[in-house]
Amino acid sequence: GNSVTQMEGPVTLSEEAFLTINCTYTATGYPSLFWYVQYPGEGLQLLLKATKADDKGSNKGFEATYRKETTSFHLEKGSVQVSDSAVYFCALSGGATNKLIFGTGTLLAVQP
Amino acid sequence: NAGVTQTPKFRVLKTGQSMTLLCAQDMNHEYMYWYRQDPGMGLRLIHYSVGEGTTAKGEVPDGYNVSRLKKQNFLLGLESAAPSQTSVYFCASIGDRAIGELFFGEGSRLTVL
Repeated sequence: GNSVTQMEGPVTLSEEAFLTINCTYTATGYPSLFWYVQYPGEGLQLLLKATKADDKGSNKGFEATYRKETTSFHLEKGSVQVSDSAVYFCALSGGATNKLIFGTGTLLAVQP
Repeated sequence: NAGVTQTPKFRVLKTGQSMTLLCAQDMNHEYMYWYRQDPGMGLRLIHYSVGEGTTAKGEVPDGYNVSRLKKQNFLLGLESAAPSQTSVYFCASIGDRAIGELFFGEGSRLTVL
């Protein structure tokens, strides 16, 4: 079945450091891929998405490219801020019911 | 602009008690979902609905029931709560023409003693 694997956390970085959170997937067909973010005490929010191979999703300085050849959708940001501290979830969607399959989440802690 | 609202936000139950979580959305969305979030396991789909009057099982449906009598509401019931159901529950919804852009509620933290 479809699945998502993302790197274990927590990831601890200093402010202005470069961020990469790895995400790989297993799926039949051509799923859409997403990154969601969860700030403390809140529900998940969509951060960015890509719906086909080679698409790049971007938002708030974060980027991720849909790589079909490596089945990956790694999240990157050039310079993180303390306010980026949150849990990040990679997810995929396929099929008519819009169900999302989530990875286990990666906690990012950015220190001043 | 309420979006997705879950009630209650916190609840403590004893083993064997029953309860219902209510999810309400004001965006006229067709699809609604109930997920549970547990440490190290991410979000797992419990049940979902593709429209008023419909429900379907997700990945971890055992011990839960759902109903979608009105389009805006999606109820999650626990008939006989167990400690394994201690979790944070999230409701989400999406319009039928969107791809993957779920709108989430703020979560309901349930503890079963």
